[in-house]
Amino acid sequence: QQQVKQSPQSLIVQKGGISIINCAYENTAFDYFPWYQQFPGKGPALLIAIRPDVSEKKEGRFTISFNKSAKQFSLHIMDSQPGDSATYFCAASIMSGGTSYGKLTFGQGTILTVHP
Amino acid sequence: NAGVTQTPKFRILKIGQSMTLQCTQDMNHNYMYWYRQDPGMGLKLIYYSVGAGITDKGEVPNGYNVSRSTTEDFPLRLELAAPSQTSVYFCASSRGDSRFQPQHFGDGTRLSIL
Repeated sequence: QQQVKQSPQSLIVQKGGISIINCAYENTAFDYFPWYQQFPGKGPALLIAIRPDVSEKKEGRFTISFNKSAKQFSLHIMDSQPGDSATYFCAASIMSGGTSYGKLTFGQGTILTVHP
Repeated sequence: NAGVTQTPKFRILKIGQSMTLQCTQDMNHNYMYWYRQDPGMGLKLIYYSVGAGITDKGEVPNGYNVSRSTTEDFPLRLELAAPSQTSVYFCASSRGDSRFQPQHFGDGTRLSIL
C-alpha cells in the first residue's frame, strides 16, 4: 500500500530528446507527489512537485503528468541536455490530516544519461 | 547559507563497532528525517523528528537510534554495526508548519562496514 514503483531503472537519451520516467502508486491517500534530482556525491534536491487536483504541471523543460484514476504520474524532460544526467526519484506523501509529518515514500530511482 | 550539513562524509567501520552520524541544519526547520539509500532501492526512512524531544520510527529503524535535543541537530547512532548497514545515509529537514513543504537534503554519509 505504501509502495511507489518507478520505471525504467536506467534511461539513455540523445541531446535534444525527450526523457520520460514513470511512477505508479497504490495508496489513494497520497496527496503530494514530488520529483527529486540527485547528482553523484550529492543529496537529492527537489525538482518539481504536483498535487492530485491538477493533471499537469510544467516548470521550464520539466513537466509532471498526473493520472489520478490510473494512480500514475510521470516526469517528462523536454530537450534533454547532458547536464540533466542524474538520478531521478519520484516520491509520494500524505500531507493533509496532520499525522504523516511529511514523510516521503520514494520510488527506486532512474539513472538518466544524456549523450551529447 | 549552509542548509543541512552531515559529517563525516565517509567512514569505514568494523563489524560490531558503534558510531554516530551527525546532522545539523541552520534553517530553523521543525521536521528532520534520516534516510538510507541502497542501489536500486530508492531512499528508505529510518527515523524522523517533528521537534526537539520528539522522535519516531520510520520504515527501517532496526539497528539505529536517534535523539533530538535541539532544533538544529539530529544525530543517528549505530550501536553494533553490521554489514547490512553498509549504505549511504541522508539527513533531511523541512519547515513542517504548512502543507507541501519540500525536504532539504544534506550531501550524505557513505558508510562501509567490513
